[in-house]
Amino acid sequence: KQEVTQIPAALSVPEGENLVLNCSFTDSAIYNLQWFRQDPGKGLTSLLLIQSSQREQTSGRLNASLDKSSGRSTLYIAASQPGDSATYLCAVFLMNYGGSQGNLIFGKGTKLSVKP
Amino acid sequence: KAGVTQTPRYLIKTRGQQVTLSCSPISGHRSVSWYQQTPGQGLQFLFEYFSETQRNKGNFPGRFSGRQFSNSRSEMNVSTLELGDSALYLCASSLDRVSGANVLTFGAGSRLTVL
Repeated sequence: KQEVTQIPAALSVPEGENLVLNCSFTDSAIYNLQWFRQDPGKGLTSLLLIQSSQREQTSGRLNASLDKSSGRSTLYIAASQPGDSATYLCAVFLMNYGGSQGNLIFGKGTKLSVKP
Repeated sequence: KAGVTQTPRYLIKTRGQQVTLSCSPISGHRSVSWYQQTPGQGLQFLFEYFSETQRNKGNFPGRFSGRQFSNSRSEMNVSTLELGDSALYLCASSLDRVSGANVLTFGAGSRLTVL
């Protein structure tokens, strides 16, 4: 059974600091991995999607890496800002053997607080 | 372009009642997925609908059901509510069948409190 773990559960950093959020998964047979952001009381916003054949993706100050063999992904946030404060969720996409069904398996998230 | 719309945003029910939640996907999106989010279990997949048919189902009891209409709007129903059903229910839509290539767009969720 695929399990996704995110460490730490919460993180507080001063503004301007570079930081790394970690995600690990138990089964390397993933189709892709996505990082989401969730603001309090709101839905999820997709940040980055890394296909299983890729090693990393970048969007602005965000960089996500994927190491399938070790079952790990990291989300790097450069020059953090108070507006980055949110919960960050990692999710892996699994397909069944026939490729007819799939769904996301989520970690429980890392709650990030960036202090001005 | 309107996003994914979920109604109601907040609701309170008592044990034993039933509830129906609605999700309107992005115009043109044909797939709708539902997820339950609780502090203890995190986000868990409920089911996916495509072309009015349930295509995939998570590991939830039969009290949880759903349907999709011809305009792609979807509803989920929970019968005989239990305290543990208190959660944020999130709906996500995608253009086509949920696959690794399609990015899901999530709604803001419906927060259900069961007393």
